[in-house]
Amino acid sequence: EVQLVESGGGLVQPGESLRLSCAASGFTFSSYEMNWVRQAPGEGLEWISFISDTGKTIYYADTAQGRFTISRDNAKNSLYLEMNSLRAEDTAVYYCARLAGNGWSPLDHWGQGTLVIVSS
Amino acid sequence: EIVMTQSPATLSVSLGERATLSCRASQSFGDSLAWYQQRPGQPPRLLIYGASTRATGVPARFSGSGSGTEFTLTISSLQSEDFAVYYCQQYYDWPLYTFGQGTKLDIK
Repeated sequence: EVQLVESGGGLVQPGESLRLSCAASGFTFSSYEMNWVRQAPGEGLEWISFISDTGKTIYYADTAQGRFTISRDNAKNSLYLEMNSLRAEDTAVYYCARLAGNGWSPLDHWGQGTLVIVSS
Repeated sequence: EIVMTQSPATLSVSLGERATLSCRASQSFGDSLAWYQQRPGQPPRLLIYGASTRATGVPARFSGSGSGTEFTLTISSLQSEDFAVYYCQQYYDWPLYTFGQGTKLDIK
């Protein structure tokens, strides 16, 4: 069974940093491209970042560019999101999500999410 | 950026009735469209991809149609577990995915 388990969320002050993790199991992690998607309280879904199976290709949404860094460790079956200079508007549940196939594919498995609250 | 617009924002339907949800794209992209269901407190669940293909384990009462800029999700006979928020997503402009703002389906 495919499982994605996020961790690392919490309450931080504006300007601070946080590192999210996503532990994957039940599939060959190194063969799949991964994403981070977030959802602000009561709002819709917003794609944040993509990383290829090897980690060599990375993309960010404009809202994340320059502040967030996605990475992965295939030996540890883990995906990460380093978030710096956090703002109140970054408050959201952050999901890791697996791409169903290579390239033009939907997101076929999602974790339960980890809540990030940015507030003073 | 491809903008996805869903309608209506809220849809009230009775148990056993049919629900039709719409999604419109700001530009044409064939059938690279997915639908997700999100129940309260849960992550999104993939229902439909390729505009009309049901994901594994999705009941046959869910169907998708459309291409280009107009897409529809139909639930033929609503069950209690179907009351949730539904999102459409384009993956044509990969990986710059964009989602619709969601349609909340609630019990009439």
